[in-house]
Amino acid sequence: NAGVTQTPKFQVLKTGQSMTLQCAQDMNHEYMSWYRQDPGMGLRLIHYSVGAGITDQGEVPNGYNVSRSTTEDFPLRLLSAAPSQTSVYFCASSLRLAGGRADTQYFGPGTRLTVL
Amino acid sequence: GQQLNQSPQSMFIQEGEDVSMNCTSSSIFNTWLWYKQDPGEGPVLLIALYKAGELTSNGRLTAQFGTTRKDSFLNISASIPSDVGIYFCAGRTIDSGGSNYKLTFGKGTLLTVNP
Repeated sequence: NAGVTQTPKFQVLKTGQSMTLQCAQDMNHEYMSWYRQDPGMGLRLIHYSVGAGITDQGEVPNGYNVSRSTTEDFPLRLLSAAPSQTSVYFCASSLRLAGGRADTQYFGPGTRLTVL
Repeated sequence: GQQLNQSPQSMFIQEGEDVSMNCTSSSIFNTWLWYKQDPGEGPVLLIALYKAGELTSNGRLTAQFGTTRKDSFLNISASIPSDVGIYFCAGRTIDSGGSNYKLTFGKGTLLTVNP
């Protein structure tokens, strides 16, 4: 198992450019989510998904889109990058237990994004 | 929204010393989690707590779920250089759909261990 993989590891964008951060997991986890980490702010939830075809907003969703067409993949799209989106982005996944409870959440290695 | 207050923000200690950090909230959580993040990596789960009052150990790490369900602490005994990193607390509640997937994170405690 590769676990949770993210690409690219590093990215530099100009203001207004668009891009997609990729996230994949091979553990057949139903739950997936995207976080951003900024210095002194901890991890903040951007969007999450409880299964293929189902997504919902987290704490800081503005400027980001997601879709979940398969169980394995959960891409994060920046339609028009802004300097305020400079951050480290983490994807995470976990197994859905009986009753909808979530098992341990596993994190990917992160994507470091700089928007100039 | 829910917030977790994690303290201290940073600690600089000598190898061999014990470390204590905690998280408090105005909201009740039904699960408390402690993660460690090494530089350039994603967070890794250290300890999970599921019941109020629960005390759980993982090697030199010990964590407790507060009896009010609004706080938790993590202790590290006899620190070593590889303990360096950022430690995060995180809490879970159950939403209206019965899922407890969403995590709320504290802002982290940066631990530096001087050999």
